[in-house]
Amino acid sequence: AQRVTQPEKLLSVFKGAPVELKCNYSYSGSPELFWYVQYSRQRLQLLLRHISRESIKGFTADLNKGETSFHLKKPFAQEEDSAMYYCHNTDKLIFGTGTRLQVFP
Amino acid sequence: DARVTQTPRHKVTEMGQEVTMRCQPILGHNTVFWYRQTMMQGLELLAYFRNRAPLDDSGMPKDRFSAEMPDATLATLKIQPSEPRDSAVYFCASGPGLGNPDTQYFGPGTRLTVL
Repeated sequence: AQRVTQPEKLLSVFKGAPVELKCNYSYSGSPELFWYVQYSRQRLQLLLRHISRESIKGFTADLNKGETSFHLKKPFAQEEDSAMYYCHNTDKLIFGTGTRLQVFP
Repeated sequence: DARVTQTPRHKVTEMGQEVTMRCQPILGHNTVFWYRQTMMQGLELLAYFRNRAPLDDSGMPKDRFSAEMPDATLATLKIQPSEPRDSAVYFCASGPGLGNPDTQYFGPGTRLTVL
């Protein structure tokens, strides 16, 4: 079965520490992968798309076909980054189970 | 600032009752998605419409769930009869349908509790 896996339910770091939220996918080909974020009491929203190769709010994500991964990274976490993060395969319409990021002051 | 709207935001009902959730997609969007979010399963796709036609509802329990788009401004998700295991947050999302990949714009969700 095609899957998007986020192995960590919770990731806790201190402000200023590097962050890596893991996402792995289970199929071959060229997946269209996005990261969505849900801040407290806000709706789910797009964070970034792999095709754009952009940096949003200091976050980047690179598609690694060899490792079938699309990890989300930020070199220095901020308290306002605390949220739920979902990896999404947009052409298969599959979301990962999400990772809650907690950034402590 | 165009947004997807969902009603009701919260619904508490008793087992066996019918539940209807409504979604107004962003004007001009031609794709609509229904998701269910639970702690255990995360976000699961229930149904997907393009130009009001259902393209995929394989994630939806057919015996009790139904999804429709009576017109381009309204999508509905019905559960009849409801069961306690249906308790979850139900999200609607719409997309411009400009091609693949397509960004989805989410509504605030309907939190359903079935007693």
